[in-house]
Amino acid sequence: DSGVTQTPKHLITATGQRVTLRCSPRSGDLSVYWYQQSLDQGLQFLIQYYNGEERAKGNILERFSAQQFPDLHSELNLSSLELGDSALYFCASSFPLGGSVNNEQFFGPGTRLTVL
Amino acid sequence: SQELEQSPQSLIVQEGKNLTINCTSSKTLYGLYWYKQKYGEGLIFLMMLQKGGEEKSHEKITAKLDEKKQQSSLHITASQPSHAGIYLCGAAGGNNDMRFGAGTRLTVKP
Repeated sequence: DSGVTQTPKHLITATGQRVTLRCSPRSGDLSVYWYQQSLDQGLQFLIQYYNGEERAKGNILERFSAQQFPDLHSELNLSSLELGDSALYFCASSFPLGGSVNNEQFFGPGTRLTVL
Repeated sequence: SQELEQSPQSLIVQEGKNLTINCTSSKTLYGLYWYKQKYGEGLIFLMMLQKGGEEKSHEKITAKLDEKKQQSSLHITASQPSHAGIYLCGAAGGNNDMRFGAGTRLTVKP
């Protein structure tokens, strides 16, 4: 158990819909990262937040957005869902010095999103 | 952007055999991570290497970062069925992002 929790575990929805994925980092970790893992694209970094502020952006679509709240939990919002958005979405957390990504990250169990 | 290539893509070994997985970067690595993933589950941190020539071991798994810091290898000695899974290497990119290789799927036959 990494100490990172994600809800829900599974999500099934229809195209065009909007969903919110939630992540609670390990106690004391200031950084939260979101990743998308699909069969054809592998594990792709989406976005990083550090202490409430966006720190780094990866291959995140404009239809997707995220935020980190004062209690450090984070939400990833996916809207106008398409079939190709079906994937495993992971959250990871770390306590990086200066907000750098160059530290060990602890991964949550993931949310499996299925878009029908 | 920094790309990480892993080889082989998949590996099937008999229990008890040794094996090596490689991770090659298109740019100098300033931090290289090895993770293991069971199918459909989260990633489990194995090791992090930062210095050229650095080598770390945990139980029967040893990881090395070469002197030029552009390649890392993960070596498993006397493999066991519990070693089966997907091994991913990851590295911090230039924009403070994080990139991963495509992974190596390891099957260990009893």
